Amino acid sequence: GAGVSQSPSNKVTEKGKDVELRCDPISGHTALYWYRQSLGQGLEFLIYFQGNSAPDKSGLPSDRFSAERTGGSVSTLTIQRTQQEDSAVYLCASSLSASNYGYTFGSGTRLTVV
Amino acid sequence: KNQVEQSPQSLIILEGKNCTLQCNYTVSPFSNLRWYKQDTGRGPVSLTIMTFSENTKSNGRYTATLDADTKQSSLHITASQLSDSASYICVVSAGNQGGKLIFGQGTELSVKP
Repeated sequence: GAGVSQSPSNKVTEKGKDVELRCDPISGHTALYWYRQSLGQGLEFLIYFQGNSAPDKSGLPSDRFSAERTGGSVSTLTIQRTQQEDSAVYLCASSLSASNYGYTFGSGTRLTVV
Repeated sequence: KNQVEQSPQSLIILEGKNCTLQCNYTVSPFSNLRWYKQDTGRGPVSLTIMTFSENTKSNGRYTATLDADTKQSSLHITASQLSDSASYICVVSAGNQGGKLIFGQGTELSVKP
């Protein structure tokens, strides 16, 4: 597609439920990143995929968070047993490679845990 | 510790006026610095990107400067418009972080008529 597409744009879930957030990167972009933006906070790195390499999971805040990238394209961020502190905007970005240039962000998924 | 600090946290200016946003960073090894504009409810959009050897880069009414010696950057907005109201985020990439970006907290700019 022309840009990075994220779905859903908004998600309200009950505490304790699992949620899946989807990111469809720009076609051909081998690098994909997930970030989290909490209210009043800067963006926080979560996880990074580059081609077929093992992902950099160093930013995942707990083992309730996991992410997959199937076929080197679409990525899914899963949050299990959601907590209220998980409420945030989850942003996905992709780039042509890990060269740090040409980042494009999606519009994000606003997650609200009630 | 790699950090990016921005000032001011928020700024209100009148339409047509100029303003300058500041960014100080302690990121090593430095790879590049970007300025993003983030409208409410949208993802960040890149304004400029500068490497170590670049001192200034312009994108329309936006001009970014970089002083790699003092590890400071600024974003100057000329002849502000109402549509410039947004959060401006300074982002630095470390050369050994495999693409991971370090974000500042952003400056919330409000342009009033």
